[in-house]
Amino acid sequence: GIQVEQSPPDLILQEGANSTLRCNFSDSVNNLQWFHQNPWGQLINLFYIPSGTKQNGRLSATTVATERYSLLYISSSQTTDSGVYFCAVDGGATNKLIFGTGTLLAVQP
Amino acid sequence: DGGITQSPKYLFRKEGQNVTLSCEQNLNHDAMYWYRQDPGQGLRLIYYSQIVNDFQKGDIAEGYSVSREKKESFPLTVTSAQKNPTAFYLCASSTGRQPQHFGDGTRLSIL
Repeated sequence: GIQVEQSPPDLILQEGANSTLRCNFSDSVNNLQWFHQNPWGQLINLFYIPSGTKQNGRLSATTVATERYSLLYISSSQTTDSGVYFCAVDGGATNKLIFGTGTLLAVQP
Repeated sequence: DGGITQSPKYLFRKEGQNVTLSCEQNLNHDAMYWYRQDPGQGLRLIYYSQIVNDFQKGDIAEGYSVSREKKESFPLTVTSAQKNPTAFYLCASSTGRQPQHFGDGTRLSIL
């Protein structure tokens, strides 16, 4: 099956800093989603981005499907950005997601 | 508001006991999913259903069972055969190739 690798595994930032999170996947995909899991465990959809670039406020994402990677950019980070960021992909016909192991982000005031 | 409701938020199971986790959605989504998350790990697929009265095993189905009698509901039973059930369980739904949306999860612990 498809393998999903995320980097870095952990990241500590000062408030106001920018960061880039990476997701590599081993095969072509029909679906790629970025999620933020907050400290209470809630999984929040950030982007549905099987290809191309999208922006939503301070967050943006780019997926280069031909090279099998996606990047999540966080600008001017805030303490509320802390949590775990997951990339998940689906390469089949049933929209089953395969998750990476996540990037744990801590934003310090 | 449209969304996915999981209950209870916390659940405790005694040894040898079956427990059922509830997942209800009012998004009119066709497909529903159950995932398991262990500490420090990503989510793994337990079961999924693309249509009422039909479901398929995911990657870690052993020790679990599901039913899909109604479009809105996809309950998960953790049976006594699941030897390590302590985990965070998340339910999701989607339609077509649209993104999956998740409930707030149920934390299951063993007494």
